[in-house]
Amino acid sequence: GAVVSQHPSRVICKSGTSVKIECRSLDFQATTMFWYRQFPKQSLMLMATSNEGSKATYEQGVEKDKFLINHASLTLSTLTVTSAHPEDSSFYICSASDRSSGNTIYFGEGSWLTVV
Amino acid sequence: DAKTTQPPSMDCAEGRAANLPCNHSTISGNEYVYWYRQIHSQGPQYIIHGLKNNETNEMASLIITEDRKSSTLILPHATLRDTAVYYCIVRVLIQGAQKLVFGQGTRLTINP
Repeated sequence: GAVVSQHPSRVICKSGTSVKIECRSLDFQATTMFWYRQFPKQSLMLMATSNEGSKATYEQGVEKDKFLINHASLTLSTLTVTSAHPEDSSFYICSASDRSSGNTIYFGEGSWLTVV
Repeated sequence: DAKTTQPPSMDCAEGRAANLPCNHSTISGNEYVYWYRQIHSQGPQYIIHGLKNNETNEMASLIITEDRKSSTLILPHATLRDTAVYYCIVRVLIQGAQKLVFGQGTRLTINP
């Protein structure tokens, strides 16, 4: 299947700082990417849908000013957690839609964020 | 949104076929059934998807009932590496964005 890569895989940051997570589609162009977060022993929760060249669409209850999403190219979307707090510590996962395979969605490896 | 219902957990012996059921009684005619699995601390892995016909690939088989209200994912010869949470998802199409909404999934444990 298609490959989606996330970076960094693990990051630790101090409270009040911002951290950026990158999501890249390595072998296909992704006009649409999705960002999820997952707490331990829970399912994935969709945060937002990111469309190349336009503003992201956020799910209800997700603060768009706190979780900034940029999808500047067909192979890269970024999630920036601003003014991070310990409760933002979570597993963040991106995915991308591969039009060449019938819009099958492939996921990245995930990024562990720990805010101390 | 069409939603899915899966048993929270299942066990299967190594080498046997693992059959994971999923109910999606409110599925619409143009919605696909997707299966993903998530091994601990990794991103979900795509397994298979289908619309009406049964599908098979190198990983699994997908059996969809004729009325499309339920489906079964079959791992023909389960190995210990197949231990994971398996998610059955109906593809939601809202405003052109085909997002995947995850339920709680089935935690499959393959026993030696």
